Amino acid sequence: GNSVTQMEGPVTLSEEAFLTINCTYTATGYPSLFWYVQYPGEGLQLLLKATKADDKGSNKGFEATYRKETTSFHLEKGSVQVSDSAVYFCALSPSFSGGYNKLIFGAGTRLAVHP
Amino acid sequence: DAMVIQNPRYQVTQFGKPVTLSCSQTLNHNVMYWYQQKSSQAPKLLFHYYDKDFNNEADTPDNFQSRRPNTSFCFLDIRSPGLGDAAMYLCATSSKARETQYFGPGTRLLVL
Repeated sequence: GNSVTQMEGPVTLSEEAFLTINCTYTATGYPSLFWYVQYPGEGLQLLLKATKADDKGSNKGFEATYRKETTSFHLEKGSVQVSDSAVYFCALSPSFSGGYNKLIFGAGTRLAVHP
Repeated sequence: DAMVIQNPRYQVTQFGKPVTLSCSQTLNHNVMYWYQQKSSQAPKLLFHYYDKDFNNEADTPDNFQSRRPNTSFCFLDIRSPGLGDAAMYLCATSSKARETQYFGPGTRLLVL
């Protein structure tokens, strides 16, 4: 079946540190991959996405590359800010969902950035 | 700006008292979704509408129902809320299969 595994949090970093949040997936075919961010008390916001192998999604200094050979979509940022503190969800959309876009989420990784 | 709107942001109800949460969108998307998110967990899909076609997830309790009177609006009805239904409820939309989902800010439901 389809599933997403994320590294457990919380991840605690100092401002300007390098961030990596690992995400691996299990899926048949060629799923689309997403990172969503959830700030405290808010809904989910799309951070970036990639729809095929070797695609790199990027937004607001965050990047993730769709690696089919390792079934991974790790999130990275070179220099985090306090305002990046949030919960980050990795998700996939199977290549065939029966006519709709079913998202399968990982458990989420909480990031806390300190000044 | 085009967006997904959820009202209210916070809803308090009593055990067993029916409650309705609402979602509207200005994106003119075909598909609307309802998710339940409990504390520190990933969102869980309850059901979705593809245009007027309703699709229930296999493990969604019968206590949860939905209505979509037109393209812009979708409602989540909880017929007899239990304490275990306290959660954040997220509405999302997408334009067609495999397109990105756009989420609203969520409604946090408290059951007393």
